[in-house]
Amino acid sequence: GNSVTQMEGPVTLSEEAFLTINCTYTATGYPSLFWYVQYPGEGLQLLLKATKADDKGSNKGFEATYRKETTSFHLEKGSVQVSDSAVYFCALSTPRFGNEKLTFGTGTRLTIIP
Amino acid sequence: EAQVTQNPRYLITVTGKKLTVTCSQNMNHEYMSWYRQDPGLGLRQIYYSMNVEVTDKGDVPEGYKVSRKEKRNFPLILESPSPNQTSLYFCATQKGGTGTGYEQYFGPGTRLTVT
Repeated sequence: GNSVTQMEGPVTLSEEAFLTINCTYTATGYPSLFWYVQYPGEGLQLLLKATKADDKGSNKGFEATYRKETTSFHLEKGSVQVSDSAVYFCALSTPRFGNEKLTFGTGTRLTIIP
Repeated sequence: EAQVTQNPRYLITVTGKKLTVTCSQNMNHEYMSWYRQDPGLGLRQIYYSMNVEVTDKGDVPEGYKVSRKEKRNFPLILESPSPNQTSLYFCATQKGGTGTGYEQYFGPGTRLTVT
């Protein structure tokens, strides 16, 4: 079955530091890959996505590249801000028989200190 | 404004007392789904619906029911809640179509405590 493994948290960084959150996956077929972000007290929001190998998703300074050879989709940002403090979820989707289910990693809590 | 709404946002109840968590969307999406979020486990799918009157089990359906009588609404029903259903629940919607990597839109969550 499908599974997603992501870096255990929590992660604490200083403002303007470089961020990497690792994500690897196991999937049947050709998954689409996603990063969702959850700000305190809110639901999940799509941060970025990639639907095929070598695609790069990007948004708000975050980037992730779909690496089929290493089954990875690591999230990176060059200079984090306090407002990036949130929980980040890596997820994949291999829709079958109409079920668009997302398979999530366990989440990584990120805290940025000024 | 595109929205997924859930009610209530917070609920404390006792074992065995039936409850319903409502979910409503204004995006005319065919697909709707319920997830529960637990520490160390991420989000797991409870039930999903591909369209009106079409529902099916996800990964953790035990103790839950759903219905889809209208396209916009997808309530989650706990007939006899138990403490192991204490969790944070999210409703999600997506435009229909498989294999397309469409974005799922999530509601704000319902925090349920069963004592």
